[in-house]
Amino acid sequence: EIVMTQSPATLSVSPGERATLSCRASQSVSNNVGWYQQKPGQAPRLLIYGASTRATGIPARFSGSGSGTEFTLTISSLQSEDFAVYYCQQYNDWPPITFGQGTRLDIK
Amino acid sequence: QVQLVQSGAELKKPGASVKVSCKASGYSFTNYGINWVRQAPGQGLEWMAWISPYNANTNFAQKFQGRVTLTRDTSTSTAYMELRALRYDDTAVYYCAREVDGAFHHWGPGTLVTVSS
Repeated sequence: EIVMTQSPATLSVSPGERATLSCRASQSVSNNVGWYQQKPGQAPRLLIYGASTRATGIPARFSGSGSGTEFTLTISSLQSEDFAVYYCQQYNDWPPITFGQGTRLDIK
Repeated sequence: QVQLVQSGAELKKPGASVKVSCKASGYSFTNYGINWVRQAPGQGLEWMAWISPYNANTNFAQKFQGRVTLTRDTSTSTAYMELRALRYDDTAVYYCAREVDGAFHHWGPGTLVTVSS
């Protein structure tokens, strides 16, 4: 089973600043990585797939990068609605599909 | 537009079974796999299983193998997830999600299953 490890667990950033979230896979997953945003009481929402492709309707301030075992989600200028929990996911080698444990993005 | 509508919240006793439905609309149901993901209170996302609505092929996370059954009804564009022998730690929100080449582009709103005596 591929383990996805996210860091940090919690990130405190001020509105307007940049946020960088990391995700490491326990073995290579090529570029088969997705990033999801989840707000309290809501279902997750796909932000990025294929490690770097924005999903439909996702603002350009969200970007993804990486391949192999190291991946990054960057939010270039945080808006109030971006404070949420973010999960990475690998779908390269399954079953099982695996998610990271999440990074909570808080307002500083 | 793509929509996944799930059945309502359930309260079950330990040892019972629950069956959650996920009705799809806005696309060709048999063209995309449906995944089931759960989230225990305050916890992260846990992938459970996948079904191909086209041919009913399935894949399961090992921990759910033998306890989960996935089915689909192509006439109503509905996928079902049945979880048996419920335990207290099965209390969670259960989501269905439509995948496109592995990524989960669309999610249902979730179904809360509470296991309590």
